[in-house]
Amino acid sequence: DAGVIQSPRHEVTEMGQEVTLRCKPISGHNSLFWYRQTMMRGLELLIYFNNNVPIDDSGMPEDRFSAKMPNASFSTLKIQPSEPRDSAVYFCASSYREKLFFGSGTQLSVL
Amino acid sequence: GESVGLHLPTLSVQEGDNSIINCAYSNSASDYFIWYKQESGKGPQFIIDIRSNMDKRQGQRVTVLLNKTVKHLSLQIAATQPGDSAVYFCAETYSGGGADGLTFGKGTHLIIQP
Repeated sequence: DAGVIQSPRHEVTEMGQEVTLRCKPISGHNSLFWYRQTMMRGLELLIYFNNNVPIDDSGMPEDRFSAKMPNASFSTLKIQPSEPRDSAVYFCASSYREKLFFGSGTQLSVL
Repeated sequence: GESVGLHLPTLSVQEGDNSIINCAYSNSASDYFIWYKQESGKGPQFIIDIRSNMDKRQGQRVTVLLNKTVKHLSLQIAATQPGDSAVYFCAETYSGGGADGLTFGKGTHLIIQP
């Protein structure tokens, strides 16, 4: 099993640009999560899906953030327009019961 | 122990020594706990878990202890190796909460000195 796959690993962009982060969960896992990690706030849950349906997006900071899961094997997190304060590591994770399995993350830098 | 501020607590131990990382959890309803290890440039990885009907669980070189009375969790790593250097997170949730109910601590940075 390849684990949770995220792309890109690193993204550097300018303020105002659109950013799209991608995730492929582990096959057979029916829940998918997007987290953001910063030194200031640690790991924050942004949104999670169950069976491709968004269940709780209360962690999404602003309307600039949106997430989709068109099928069981793919999800995107989009930031439009991006701002410097969005700079962080974004993790996707999928779960089997209570156990979360994380991808390697996307390091986002917004200049 | 867990940080409530901006700075990640750091534990420095000599290679070969045992290390103990502590975590105070907040929700008395939590009954399932997990320790994750995050190496530099990687996502958190599952190490070991424990349910509230146990007070101790052992893995390979790791032991998790749970004290429900004082809401305290600890991770013991025996005979530490350079590869143990990482940030360790505890996470808590409750039965039926699933992974979406997981709450993560801020983490402890473990440094192994040669």
